[in-house]
Amino acid sequence: QLQLQESGPGLVKPSETLSLTCTVSGGSISSSSYYWGWIRQPPGKGLEWIGSIYYSGSTYYNPSLKSRVTISVDTSKNQFSLKLSSVTAADTAVYYCVAWYGLNWFDPWGQGTLVTVPS
Amino acid sequence: QSVLTQPPSVSAAPGQKVTISCSGSSSNIGNSYVSWYQQLPGTAPKLLIYENNKRPSGIPDRFSGSKSGTSATLGITGLQTGDEADYYCGTWDSSLSAWVFGGGTKLTVL
Repeated sequence: QLQLQESGPGLVKPSETLSLTCTVSGGSISSSSYYWGWIRQPPGKGLEWIGSIYYSGSTYYNPSLKSRVTISVDTSKNQFSLKLSSVTAADTAVYYCVAWYGLNWFDPWGQGTLVTVPS
Repeated sequence: QSVLTQPPSVSAAPGQKVTISCSGSSSNIGNSYVSWYQQLPGTAPKLLIYENNKRPSGIPDRFSGSKSGTSATLGITGLQTGDEADYYCGTWDSSLSAWVFGGGTKLTVL
């Protein structure tokens, strides 16, 4: 079955760019059924959708983060990536990569990766 | 301040039933499918309910979802201690052009 795995640095300095990659296994990232996305969760807080991408490159971004976010896809590697620029301590969170089925629900989720931006 | 409003916490005894509400507006719940997610302590969220009231394979029928107007409800019957978790509702908001989540509800099984 479909599985997602995040990878990337666990510590990013303030004002730098956070970069994460999600590797998709058990299925093709070029599937017509899915968008691929990122969701984050600050420690002890709720979930925040960051944005999503289709294999063709079409994207949706959270308006509150849009100016700092870029999501890209590499179909040859079955991966998609997140870049969040000009990070601050407020960007400290567990970042999850997700499959967005039919733009209606998220399943499955990756295990999540904690990214810390020191204050 | 979340676009979708959930109670911060609910509690009930083992074997009992509990409901968790998710209130929104015509631009989100009133116009889109709602999904629910269960987040057990220290783990990633998991899909519990999709398209308002459908259960993915492997989710027991103790879990149910419903939607009426601009509100949705998650129901859990026959509560077990293993159901203690945070529960989130989510849907697309056409005014914001963004996916939105509720603030989450912590379920305690006393």
